[in-house]
Amino acid sequence: GQQLNQSPQSMFIQEGEDVSMNCTSSSIFNTWLWYKQDPGEGPVLLIALYKAGELTSNGRLTAQFGITRKDSFLNISASIPSDVGIYFCAGQNYGGEIQGAQKLVFGQGTRLTINP
Amino acid sequence: DVKVTQSSRYLVKRTGEKVFLECVQDMDHENMFWYRQDPGLGLRLIYFSYDVKMKEKGDIPEGYSVSREKKERFSLILESASTNQTSMYLCASSLVGYGYTFGSGTRLTVV
Repeated sequence: GQQLNQSPQSMFIQEGEDVSMNCTSSSIFNTWLWYKQDPGEGPVLLIALYKAGELTSNGRLTAQFGITRKDSFLNISASIPSDVGIYFCAGQNYGGEIQGAQKLVFGQGTRLTINP
Repeated sequence: DVKVTQSSRYLVKRTGEKVFLECVQDMDHENMFWYRQDPGLGLRLIYFSYDVKMKEKGDIPEGYSVSREKKERFSLILESASTNQTSMYLCASSLVGYGYTFGSGTRLTVV
């Protein structure tokens, strides 16, 4: 199945550093989403983006929906230990048809490790 | 908040056993999904359902089946468990046109 290209695959940073990760696709999406998965848990939605060019913040997190609709990035400022986990991007197209259009296409994930 | 509940956090089953993984959501979502997650392979879609009694194959349906008799419940069935089905299984639900809400996952080990 289709997957997004998410990078980097892993990051090892010091507490307090800023983090940046991105996702690209060969096809356009109407919606971009970013999820975080804590160890041993299911992914939790962080930010949803619905319009090309949209820049949205959620606390220390900022995400943007690329102008071309083929990419998105997520930034985390001033990282803290609880930011550890796997971050997934996901794209979605909802064009009115029901079958198949509800599926999200996921990136491979970025595993974030923080050294205190 | 929407809640997606998976019946077991950890399961250990023997090769050849029939295994049922249950998922229940409490917000009247139309769509429900089953994924498996393996290191280095990301999230892979097994099956999804967009209505009661309706189901569609995902990317890796072989060795699995599903059942959706009620809107709130979506079951994943491993007809004859094999060791290569050892994995983390994630259930999710969504409204039409919106992102998913995931359950906490079931870590299945087949021995």
